[in-house]
Amino acid sequence: DVIMTQSPLSLPVTLGQPASISCRSSQSLEGRSGNNYLTWFQQRPGQSPRRLIYEAFKRDSGVPDRFSGSGSGTDFTLKISRVEAEDVAIYYCMQGSHWPPYTFGQGTKLEIK
Amino acid sequence: EVQLVESGGGLVQPGGSLRLSCEASGFTFSAYDMDWVRQAPGKGLEWVGRGTANRGSYITEYAASVKGRFIISRDDSKNSLSLQMNSLKTDDTAVYYCTRDYWGSYDHWGRGALVTVSS
Repeated sequence: DVIMTQSPLSLPVTLGQPASISCRSSQSLEGRSGNNYLTWFQQRPGQSPRRLIYEAFKRDSGVPDRFSGSGSGTDFTLKISRVEAEDVAIYYCMQGSHWPPYTFGQGTKLEIK
Repeated sequence: EVQLVESGGGLVQPGGSLRLSCEASGFTFSAYDMDWVRQAPGKGLEWVGRGTANRGSYITEYAASVKGRFIISRDDSKNSLSLQMNSLKTDDTAVYYCTRDYWGSYDHWGRGALVTVSS
């Protein structure tokens, strides 16, 4: 199975400041088409996960543009340009390039300083 | 609007059985691979298994931790996905989510069903 490693696991951020989460995979996620099937999810307290970013950089409808994804191969990043209170959540990366199974990172808990 | 609604969760003793259902609406259920993903209390996300769309045959896949104990089935006529869980262990305690797979990503999740395995 592909191992997904996130860092940091805890991320205290001041409101209005940027935040960045790294996700590394044990194998390249780049397919023959050049797509990287790397997804970022946000899970707010008491809620189901919600997809933010898919194929490494494509933002879902309704996701604020302060969220952005980048990277390819084995190194990926989720960035929040200016953290807001509603961004308090656990963020997970997941690879969908190698099946079975899809695998998740450990999660990064974002909190407000 | 895509909706996935899980049901059937509850408290069960170790060694017991439970069946979860996921009712889907708002999309052509038969065209999509559907997965179960679980989350133990305070823990991360873990893939449980998949029921593929019918592309000549239905295929199921399972995580090693549940293989031989859990069975996934689907009824495309009822837009329904099921998870039959047998020989349950305390480690199976989790919220179980029904998810829709689309091109290597889960674009929709249900609200989840809590399964508690305890004596």
